[in-house]
Amino acid sequence: EAGVAQSPRYKIIEKRQSVAFWCNPISGHATLYWYQQILGQGPKLLIQFQNNGVVDDSQLPKDRFSAERLKGVDSTLKIQPAKLEDSAVYLCASSLAPGETQYFGPGTRLLVL
Amino acid sequence: DQQVKQNSPSLSVQEGRISILNCDYTNSMFDYFLWYKKYPAEGPTFLISISSIKDKNEDGRFTVFLNKSAKHLSLHIVPSQPGDSAVYFCAASANNNDMRFGAGTRLTVKP
Repeated sequence: EAGVAQSPRYKIIEKRQSVAFWCNPISGHATLYWYQQILGQGPKLLIQFQNNGVVDDSQLPKDRFSAERLKGVDSTLKIQPAKLEDSAVYLCASSLAPGETQYFGPGTRLLVL
Repeated sequence: DQQVKQNSPSLSVQEGRISILNCDYTNSMFDYFLWYKKYPAEGPTFLISISSIKDKNEDGRFTVFLNKSAKHLSLHIVPSQPGDSAVYFCAASANNNDMRFGAGTRLTVKP
């Protein structure tokens, strides 16, 4: 069974630029999550999708972050404009349903200069 | 707000001995607890979980203990192996939503 795929693996941008990350969850997983992991901290949930609908985006900085999962499969997370404090690893995870075991992708490491 | 805390950033144990990783939480609504293991440059991988209706769950060398009155859980690894060296994250959720992670504990198992 293929795992959660994410791209790119690494990205370096300057502040005020925009960036987008892509995630392909495990086939058949209805629930998709985006997490932000700042160095030295645990992952923090940014947004949770159930199929193509948003379940929880309470911790998503909506003035600069956006995410979509239009067809209920792949998802993109965008930051526009980026700030220095956005430097982190962005993890995508998926599960069969809310509350089921989450499977994580390898993450995208973002550095904002 | 840090609802899940792992107060030990690192732990070092000898191969064959027991590793005990601790986690405390503040939200009494949490009803599901998990441990994830993370190797460098990889995403976290699920290790073991426990529901709030239990106080112990065992899977091979890994056992998770939950003390609800103390809002504390721990992960025991017996016997520890060098391949267990990784960062371990404690996580908790309430009503199947909004999983909160601790900051992680880096375990080093020395041969």
